[in-house]
Amino acid sequence: DTAVSQTPKYLVTQMGNDKSIKCEQNLGHDTMYWYKQDSKKFLKIMFSYNNKELIINETVPNRFSPKSPDKAHLNLHINSLELGDSAVYFCASSQVDGYEQYFGPGTRLTVT
Amino acid sequence: GQQLNQSPQSMFIQEGEDVSMNCTSSSIFNTWLWYKQDPGEGPVLLIALYKAGELTSNGRLTAQFGITRKDSFLNISASIPSDVGIYFCAASASGTYKYIFGTGTRLKVLA
Repeated sequence: DTAVSQTPKYLVTQMGNDKSIKCEQNLGHDTMYWYKQDSKKFLKIMFSYNNKELIINETVPNRFSPKSPDKAHLNLHINSLELGDSAVYFCASSQVDGYEQYFGPGTRLTVT
Repeated sequence: GQQLNQSPQSMFIQEGEDVSMNCTSSSIFNTWLWYKQDPGEGPVLLIALYKAGELTSNGRLTAQFGITRKDSFLNISASIPSDVGIYFCAASASGTYKYIFGTGTRLKVLA
């Protein structure tokens, strides 16, 4: 009965590769988000989607491309991975804008 | 960009003590959330606040939405070892579709 799930949990890859992270929520929420948490644990929003539409792109390099095939899913594809992309990426969802927000377990991406 | 100033950055306390932490901003927000994050896991929502002046409890946790809408406070009473972790505040303004996060308070409880 996991509310927000992400796969994979860990991702180790080399510079220049392309990778994807998947997120699913079974809460019936309309809004989904991607956050990046750096090594100092600072959480920064990357994207937000409402009803499958991109609402926020917080000056993220265009190597990062989110896709929402339906309201319950929000995937993140990253092209040409760089060392600086190493971080933990969290998916989150909320019923509506400005309401309670629930996080997934995170995907730890390591680029070597 | 917008920032939430969270303090203290870290604290060591004895088991059984009460803990207070706060979050301040120069901007006005409509929603304040408090989270706890354990190592290797995602942040877990503790308390949500939607109205200026609102005081909400969840077990030993109590949080308040500041009357100016620019700050929020979290108190933990009678701390126990499992309270160890990083506590984050987050705030959102209506129509922005994003939450700004504080820098976190790292809590360590000495048994």
